[in-house]
This record gives sequence, structure tokens and C-alpha cells, in this order.
Amino acid sequence: AQSVTQLDSQVPVFEEAPVELRCNYSSSVSVYLFWYVQYPNQGLQLLLKYLSGSTLVKGINGFEAEFNKSQTSFHLRKPSVHISDTAEYFCAVSDLNYGGSQGNLIFGKGTKLSVKP
Amino acid sequence: DTEVTQTPKHLVMGMTNKKSLKCEQHMGHRAMYWYKQKAKKPPELMFVYSYEKLSINESVPSRFSPECPNSSLLNLHLHALQPEDSALYLCASSQEGTSGRSTDTQYFGPGTRLTVL
Repeated sequence: AQSVTQLDSQVPVFEEAPVELRCNYSSSVSVYLFWYVQYPNQGLQLLLKYLSGSTLVKGINGFEAEFNKSQTSFHLRKPSVHISDTAEYFCAVSDLNYGGSQGNLIFGKGTKLSVKP
Repeated sequence: DTEVTQTPKHLVMGMTNKKSLKCEQHMGHRAMYWYKQKAKKPPELMFVYSYEKLSINESVPSRFSPECPNSSLLNLHLHALQPEDSALYLCASSQEGTSGRSTDTQYFGPGTRLTVL
């Protein structure tokens, strides 16, 4: 079974600083990877996704992520964060084999990004 | 439009009550999902409907009863819940090909915050 590890449960950072949120997955087959953001008391919003092709994926709100197959990683980055980026960030992998007929998202435990002024 | 709506936003119920959560999407998606999210945890899959048929039930207790009356609507009927069922209940939807393409992005609603007294 696939799994996703988000190495940092909390990441505090100052406004306008760069940030990297780490995500590693376990899989021996092709994977599809996603980053979702959850603002306080809200649902999940898709930031970006990797399905195939270029390993550098650009998403909304200035975020990008790089798929690294050899390191089984999909780290999320932003060169300059804003106060409004404070939220919980979830990395997820799509399990091709789950249920036989329907892919399933497997989430990491989340990383809380706190941006301080 | 990538909007999934959920009602109500908040729900407080007693252990003997019967209530329902509603989810709606008008994106023509044929797969719909219910997730449960406890505080500071990632979402956990409960049910998946594909073409209005239940395709995945993650061994959820029978006090949770899903229903998909048509391709745009998904309900979750609640009866005799326990206080530990208090959580954020998220609905999501995705396009679903006949091959069950797991590359389909899941779009989430804002959730219903449920409190069981």
C-alpha cells in the first residue's frame, strides 16, 4: 500500500521568506501526486498536481512543487510567503490499485504553515 | 465553475437525533466522496459513489448511511451518532471515466462541522 510522509508537522516562517514543505511517498509504481491547502474552518483546495511530464509543477498562489522520482519526493515551495498563506497543507498520492475500479487519495498528516509578520 | 457546496455549515445534534448532510456539484462529475476529518488530522475516506452507485465503503458504521439520489447530489444520513463522531465532514467530487481514472482531481466542498452531544 502507498503511504505519504510529511516530515514537518509545523513550519513557522516570517513573511516574505521562502518556504519548503516536505513530502515523501512510498511506491514502486507510477504515482499521481497532489498538494491541497486547508484554510482555518474551510474545506480543501487544490494547489497543484503532478500526473506526468515536466517534474516542476506550478500551482496557484505562487506555489510550485518538484517531483523527484529517485528520492520519492514532492516538496512544495514558495519563494516569498504572505500572512495569508497561513494554513494546513496536505500532500496526497493517488492509489491506482485501491478498490480495483476507483482511485483513492492517500493523505499525509499535514503541515501547518504559520507565517509571522 | 469548480464548486462543491455543502449544507449545513454547522450541525449540532443529540445522540438520538436523525439528521442529514447534503452535498451538491454541477460540474458533471460522476464520482462523489464523503470524508471525515478530525481536528489536526488528514481527511479519512468514508464512501465513494461512482455513477450513482456505491463503489467504496470504508467499513463505516451503519449509523452513517450515504445516498446518491442523482448525479449532482450526495447525502449522508446520520442516526444515533456518538460524541466521537464529531468532526468536519467533507464532500468531494471528480470526473470518473469508465476505467476509474485515478488522475481525476478531487474538488472539495467547505465541509459541515458536526458536533454530537
